[in-house]
Amino acid sequence: NAGVTQTPKFRILKIGQSMTLQCAQDMNHNYMYWYRQDPGMGLKLIYYSVGAGITDKGEVPNGYNVSRSTTEDFPLRLELAAPSQTSVYFCASSYSSGGASEQFFGPGTRLTVL
Amino acid sequence: KNEVEQSPQNLTAQEGEFITINCSYSVGISALHWLQQHPGGGIVSLFMLSSGKKKHGRLIATINIQEKHSSLHITASHPRDSAVYICAVCRGATNKLIFGTGTLLAVQP
Repeated sequence: NAGVTQTPKFRILKIGQSMTLQCAQDMNHNYMYWYRQDPGMGLKLIYYSVGAGITDKGEVPNGYNVSRSTTEDFPLRLELAAPSQTSVYFCASSYSSGGASEQFFGPGTRLTVL
Repeated sequence: KNEVEQSPQNLTAQEGEFITINCSYSVGISALHWLQQHPGGGIVSLFMLSSGKKKHGRLIATINIQEKHSSLHITASHPRDSAVYICAVCRGATNKLIFGTGTLLAVQP
């Protein structure tokens, strides 16, 4: 099993450009999450999904969009990139029947917006 | 005030020392996670616990629900333990996590 995979690993964007960060998992997990990690700050939840076709906002959703058309994939879309979106982005997944369960993280995408 | 506080923020230890990292939280939780992140690397789950104590190799995690406090202990520390250790608490049925800012541990040979 590959676990949680993310592409690309690194990306530099110009202000105003858009891009999609890809995330896929092969563990048949229902729950998937997008986080951003800024220096000196804890990870912050951007969006999450509890199953195909169901997504919801986290703490910091502004400037981002997500979709979940399949159980495996959970892409994160940045529209009109801004320097404040410079960060490391982590995708995670978990199997949960409604209680707490371990989250499995992808390797991260380091994004710089100039 | 952050809902999850970790201490210390930075810790330097000599190889072989016993290490303790603390995590305090201010909200009701269903579980608490300890995660490890190596420099430039991904994030790995070490423990998830909702009561008592768990042990895996040289790592021990404890939680006191009444006092809203958890500790991560590393026995016989080794340079390969050098990493950021992150505490996160789980709230609600959607398994959403609230993260501490992490403790940067450096173990010197």
